[in-house]
Amino acid sequence: TQLLEQSPQFLSIQEGENLTVYCNSSSVFSSLQWYRQEPGEGPVLLVTVVTGGEVKKLKRLTFQFGDARKDSSLHITAAQPGDTGLYLCAGVGQGAQKLVFGQGTRLTINP
Amino acid sequence: ETGVTQTPRHLVMGMTNKKSLKCEQHLGHNAMYWYKQSAKKPLELMFVYNFKEQTENNSVPSRFSPECPNSSHLFLHLHTLQPEDSALYLCASSQDIRGRYNEQFFGPGTRLTVL
Repeated sequence: TQLLEQSPQFLSIQEGENLTVYCNSSSVFSSLQWYRQEPGEGPVLLVTVVTGGEVKKLKRLTFQFGDARKDSSLHITAAQPGDTGLYLCAGVGQGAQKLVFGQGTRLTINP
Repeated sequence: ETGVTQTPRHLVMGMTNKKSLKCEQHLGHNAMYWYKQSAKKPLELMFVYNFKEQTENNSVPSRFSPECPNSSHLFLHLHTLQPEDSALYLCASSQDIRGRYNEQFFGPGTRLTVL
């Protein structure tokens, strides 16, 4: 069974600070996605990374896929209250079809 | 607005009731999914349909019965549920389950409470 472990599970920081969220596994994934879910809504896809070592930027968010394609990180620079939400990583295993989700990181940015 | 709609958004039902959840996608996708999201647990995949055919039933109890009449609509029929079935039920769609990335687009969910 392929598992994705996210850390930390909860993070509460002040506006303007930087933060990093991690998504780790012992399994190799052919691609990995990050979603953000706000209260009362479904997850929204932020980015997909597919190549080992790949880095993608989305404004103040930087996503990296590990060289071995077993882990990923999300770094937010100068966090803002609008970044508050549940961040989920999800991977497609090699030879598999369904997405495997991590348990999520609940992020709160305080004004 | 992700192009996936779900109704109702909130549902309270007794253990003896029968109700249905509805999902509709306007993205031209061929695959649709039901997920269960409970507090402190990862998203749990329940059912997968690809081109209207069920391709996965993730050991879901028979009190949950899915129906996919066409590639744009997905239902989840509920009967004799238990209080532990209370959760957020999310519908999602993707282009095709065989896509390399299987990027999924989620609806807003139905918050279900079983009394």
